[in-house]
Amino acid sequence: DGGITQSPKYLFRKEGQNVTLSCEQNLNHDAMYWYRQDPGQGLRLIYYSQIVNDFQKGDIAEGYSVSREKKESFPLTVTSAQKNPTAFYLCASSIWGSDNYYGYTFGSGTRLTVV
Amino acid sequence: GNSVTQMEGPVTLSEEAFLTINCTYTATGYPSLFWYVQYPGEGLQLLLKATKADDKGSNKGFEATYRKETTSFHLEKGSVQVSDSAVYFCALSDHGSGNTGKLIFGQGTTLQVKP
Repeated sequence: DGGITQSPKYLFRKEGQNVTLSCEQNLNHDAMYWYRQDPGQGLRLIYYSQIVNDFQKGDIAEGYSVSREKKESFPLTVTSAQKNPTAFYLCASSIWGSDNYYGYTFGSGTRLTVV
Repeated sequence: GNSVTQMEGPVTLSEEAFLTINCTYTATGYPSLFWYVQYPGEGLQLLLKATKADDKGSNKGFEATYRKETTSFHLEKGSVQVSDSAVYFCALSDHGSGNTGKLIFGQGTTLQVKP
């Protein structure tokens, strides 16, 4: 079955450490997205990518970095510059086109905690 | 710019009560509209969608009608169950400024159903 897989489900980061969250999809979707969700809050867009080797900053890109070397993969690195990284991170993918009838497919999320 | 506004939660209902979660939007052009549901600790799942004015999306007893005249897409269910307890997000596809395909999400509304 096609889907989108995030790993790990839980991740613990020490102060000053970079960590990378994995997101892989086998839906042949063009676009991929990273969102941050804080408790009781909505979704905030970190980065998105429409095609391989290209990505754009979202609303809260500072302290994060991404790469898109393969269509299937869109890893997110939370750097030490992100001062408050504890949150639930969601990856999503979609078909990119002029009429997005299909919406997004989401992964099951990674919960990152600073220890 | 384009935006989505949802009623604030939490919404607390007894089992078998009627549910309405209000969603209004501001958009240029003719966006597609979506409702997503998020169960605790999970990613978002597409609940229903509508792609043009007067369309009705429906799934699992939930319904929403795309009302262009009132710029609304309210979510309704005739008889809620405890298992419907979740966070519900309204979203629209962003056709503005060439950003076709990206979704804009509301803040989410938490529904709690008590037995």
